[in-house]
Amino acid sequence: EDKVVQSPLSLVVHEGDTVTLNCSYEVTNFRSLLWYKQEKKAPTFLFMLTSSGIEKKSGRLSSILDKKELFSILNITATQTGDSAVYLCSLIQGAQKLVFGQGTRLTINP
Amino acid sequence: DAGVIQSPRHEVTEMGQEVTLRCKPISGHDYLFWYRQTMMRGLELLIYFNNNVPIDDSGMPEDRFSAKMPNASFSTLKIQPSEPRDSAVYFCASSLFVPGSNQPQHFGDGTRLSIL
Repeated sequence: EDKVVQSPLSLVVHEGDTVTLNCSYEVTNFRSLLWYKQEKKAPTFLFMLTSSGIEKKSGRLSSILDKKELFSILNITATQTGDSAVYLCSLIQGAQKLVFGQGTRLTINP
Repeated sequence: DAGVIQSPRHEVTEMGQEVTLRCKPISGHDYLFWYRQTMMRGLELLIYFNNNVPIDDSGMPEDRFSAKMPNASFSTLKIQPSEPRDSAVYFCASSLFVPGSNQPQHFGDGTRLSIL
């Protein structure tokens, strides 16, 4: 059964710190890995990763995939209080299904 | 552009009542998904449609749950009869089909359902 495991489950840091969120997976037929950010409402799309070793960047956020070791990391540099959210890692399974990890709850204290 | 629109935003009802959740996907999207999110189980896929046709309903918990997509711009998720353990946030999402390319799903703001 396909599985996504995120760590840590919860993380509290101070504004300005850099954080690294981890996502490991087991999948029979890898297609893509996606990161989402969830604040109070809808998960919002951050990155889609399909190839190993190619970093995706958006401002202070970046992510990379390692298909050999079956993991991905999401980095956030110079964190701000607005980065506080649950970060969800997911895999595309089959045609279009997403299977999600438990999420990492990130809290940025001023 | 309008995103995925869900209604109602909140629903509180008594056990045994019928509940209907509604979703309007992003115009032009080919796929529509219904998810349930709870603290214990996280985000779980219930069912998804492609071009209005149900493709995989293996995540639907029981016969009390049903979903329809009568046209490309509207879908419903119905629970009848509802039970307290159905309390959760229900999300609808949609995505575009692009041959040879995976596309992200875009989520609505969810319906927070409380069954008393």
